[in-house]
Amino acid sequence: DTAVSQTPKYLVTQMGNDKSIKCEQNLGHDTMYWYKQDSKKFLKIMFSYNNKELIINETVPNRFSPKSPDKAHLNLHINSLELGDSAVYFCASSRTSGGPTGELFFGEGSRLTVL
Amino acid sequence: LAKTTQPISMDSYEGQEVNITCSHNNIATNDYITWYQQFPSQGPRFIIQGYKTKVTNEVASLFIPADRKSSTLSLPRVSLSDTAVYYCLVGPNTGGFKTIFGAGTRLFVKA
Repeated sequence: DTAVSQTPKYLVTQMGNDKSIKCEQNLGHDTMYWYKQDSKKFLKIMFSYNNKELIINETVPNRFSPKSPDKAHLNLHINSLELGDSAVYFCASSRTSGGPTGELFFGEGSRLTVL
Repeated sequence: LAKTTQPISMDSYEGQEVNITCSHNNIATNDYITWYQQFPSQGPRFIIQGYKTKVTNEVASLFIPADRKSSTLSLPRVSLSDTAVYYCLVGPNTGGFKTIFGAGTRLFVKA
């Protein structure tokens, strides 16, 4: 069973389009994240949700909108895609209390290419 | 959050012990030190976490001096499959905090 799963794994689209990436975790964690890894391999946090509530929102364009229907899912919707949005997007989850807290569990990534 | 500094890259040979040092001069009292490993086309994977002194698990050891301003990840007897990027992170040990990944150290293990 995949702990954190993202779909799609690859996404190629044209500038100006709108696309979504879905993420689900079956670990029972209450915090989920979206990270962006650019071509230089820097991994930057974009959003964090705790129990469906947004708790971290880094300086990300308004074109990016996360949605958490329940604490096991955190989807990322991107409007009006731009060339600079091309990157690998990683979803992650963690516990907020109990056990080895803070450990992040990552999905395999979704490679977005904007043409 | 404490900023971390690591070497950009390191080379090693199979069977050698590899030590990757991370500097975190501004580490706070409630900060933990965590290391992640990332293979190409995969998400980062937790390796080890510690607060002070030494921590060892089946994968690696983490050495943290008394002043906690640096830490060293030690990988015993590396193999080709240990070729990856290793990230050092410093922050509170509570999920939901703003985890900041630096550029990491790219380890290349040669035969």
